Amino acid sequence: SYELTQSSSVSVSPGQTARITCSGDILAKRYARWFQRKPGQAPLLLIYKDSERSSGIPERFSGSSSGSTVALTITDVQVEDEAEYFCYSAADNKGVIFGGGTRLTVL
Amino acid sequence: DVQLVESGGHLAQPGGSLRLSCSGSGFTFSHYNMTWVRQAPGKGLEWVSSISDSGDKTYYPDAVPGRFIISRDNSKSTLFLQLNNLRPEDTALYFCTRGFNGDSDFWGRGTQVTVSS
Repeated sequence: SYELTQSSSVSVSPGQTARITCSGDILAKRYARWFQRKPGQAPLLLIYKDSERSSGIPERFSGSSSGSTVALTITDVQVEDEAEYFCYSAADNKGVIFGGGTRLTVL
Repeated sequence: DVQLVESGGHLAQPGGSLRLSCSGSGFTFSHYNMTWVRQAPGKGLEWVSSISDSGDKTYYPDAVPGRFIISRDNSKSTLFLQLNNLRPEDTALYFCTRGFNGDSDFWGRGTQVTVSS
C-alpha cells in the first residue's frame, strides 16, 4: 500500500521561511493537498492540486511538486502559523492516504 | 459558510454500538460525496469510509472492519457512520469531510469516540 512521509517537526523564527515536505510514490501520479490543523479547530485546506492556493489563503502559503515529493512553503512565517500541517492524496479504491503530519513551531 | 458538525461520539463499552452523525450546512449537501476519517491517540489520520453524493455507492479501505457502515440522509443534510461491536482500538477522534478520493476540502472539528470498560 502507498504511504506519505513527512518530517515530524520544523522550527523557524517569525519572518523566516518554513518548508515542509511530503514524499510518496503515489505523488508521482496523484495530486496532493495540504491542510493546516490547530487544536480544537477543523483542519483548513491550504493547497490543492499540489500548488493551487485555496480561497482566502494568504499568498505566503505556496505549494510545489517534483517527482514523488511535494512541498509546502510558508514565507514570512507568523506566530499564528504555528500548527500541524499534513499532506493528503488519493489512493486506490476511492480512498485517501495521509502524511503523518509536521508540527511547525514558531520560536 | 460551509459547516460540518459531527456528533454522537462518547464513551462506549467494548462490544457496543454508536451512530455518529455529521450535519452539513452552507452548501447543497446532496451534490457532494462525503468521507469519514479518524485519528486514534498518538496515531496518524486514517480513512474510514466514503459515500457517493446520492448514497448509492460506499467505499471502505481493506483495513477497516465490516463493523462500520456509512450512510446518508440528503433530505436532512446528514452523514452517518454506524460503528458496531466496538473495540478499544476504535477509540479515536472521528471527522467528516466534504469530498472523497483526494478532493476533500472542508472538515468538521470531529467527535470523540472512546471505547473502554
